[in-house]
Amino acid sequence: AQSVTQLGSHVSVSEGALVLLRCNYSSSVPPYLFWYVQYPNQGLQLLLKYTSAATLVKGINGFEAEFKKSETSFHLTKPSAHMSDAAEYFCAVSPDDKIIFGKGTRLHILP
Amino acid sequence: DGGITQSPKYLFRKEGQNVTLSCEQNLNHDAMYWYRQDPGQGLRLIYYSQIVNDFQKGDIAEGYSVSREKKESFPLTVTSAQKNPTAFYLCASSMWAQETQYFGPGTRLLVL
Repeated sequence: AQSVTQLGSHVSVSEGALVLLRCNYSSSVPPYLFWYVQYPNQGLQLLLKYTSAATLVKGINGFEAEFKKSETSFHLTKPSAHMSDAAEYFCAVSPDDKIIFGKGTRLHILP
Repeated sequence: DGGITQSPKYLFRKEGQNVTLSCEQNLNHDAMYWYRQDPGQGLRLIYYSQIVNDFQKGDIAEGYSVSREKKESFPLTVTSAQKNPTAFYLCASSMWAQETQYFGPGTRLLVL
């Protein structure tokens, strides 16, 4: 069965520091991969999407992610964290007619 | 202004009662989805529909029902058979399967 694993349910970084949120997937076929962000009591918003074009994908708000097939990973990064980045982040994979979401990582930004 | 609307924002259910959550989209998307979100468990798929008058069960369909009579609408009914309905419910739509899903603002269901 397809699955998505997000390492760390909570991650804390200082304002201005590098943000790294980890995601590994299992899929028997090349998948579509997504990162979504959710602010409290709101729906999810797409950050970026990988669809087998470039392996480095740039998204909104300065985030980017790199697809590494050999490691089955799709980690999300941002060079410098901002207080407004505090939210929950979901990695997702779409091998077929559904999207499978990871359990999410809550990002805390320390002043 | 295109998007997905969900109503109500908060919904209260009494014991033995069925309640219906509304989801409407004006994005002209073919596919629509319902998810349940509980703390620490991510999103779990309840039902999805890829075309009008057709829908499939997701991972946790027991105690829920849906209909897809119009392309724009995909209401979810939480029946009395769902013994633990308290959760945040999210509706989403996409052009087709595997494409980006766009989410509504969610409905929080609470049990009285």
